Amino acid sequence: DAGITQSPRHKVTETGTPVTLRCHQTENHRYMYWYRQDPGHGLRLIHYSYGVKDTDKGEVSDGYSVSRSKTEDFLLTLESATSSQTSVYFCATGQSYEQYFGPGTRLTVT
Amino acid sequence: GQQLNQSPQSMFIQEGEDVSMNCTSSSIFNTWLWYKQDPGEGPVLLIALYKAGELTSNGRLTAQFGITRKDSFLNISASIPSDVGIYFCAGAMDSNYQLIWGAGTKLIIKP
Repeated sequence: DAGITQSPRHKVTETGTPVTLRCHQTENHRYMYWYRQDPGHGLRLIHYSYGVKDTDKGEVSDGYSVSRSKTEDFLLTLESATSSQTSVYFCATGQSYEQYFGPGTRLTVT
Repeated sequence: GQQLNQSPQSMFIQEGEDVSMNCTSSSIFNTWLWYKQDPGEGPVLLIALYKAGELTSNGRLTAQFGITRKDSFLNISASIPSDVGIYFCAGAMDSNYQLIWGAGTKLIIKP
């Protein structure tokens, strides 16, 4: 079984609606990360977590919030989706510098 | 935000050719990582480097941690069609385990 899963894998939503993306890991890694990937921008860090209930902002955190109530789950919430948040979202986990990525969620905000 | 300078941006390869790409920074890093991303998938870790001057191989891939600690190199020998994809470098400066990313090098097969 894959160690890192993301759900949903694809989502289309309307501007102004709330959206929650889920990352689930079975690796027991301490650190978890949410990135977005857009053409011309590469991978940009949104938020990360260094333990249960311990989270911090990344480079592009505006409009996003996260929660981590269990080691294995890291949720990314778009409180009110905007078209600029159309992107591919990747979750990653790690125990040190090496990060391991999930398969991604393609989100389209219309 | 800070980004690593990764070059070339893209390159056309013919099967059997050797490929070289590099990543540079104005800052010193204590870790360099190389990833490959296939279309529609997440990046996959290829090689991790932790010591200046370190040379590490993974099959036909060889990566080096520059002695200045400001650069890293990835070489692919005798390329094959499945080598196409986007290669990313990433570096870490401190102990909070956040990575700084390059913009990627896209490998394309020559028709």
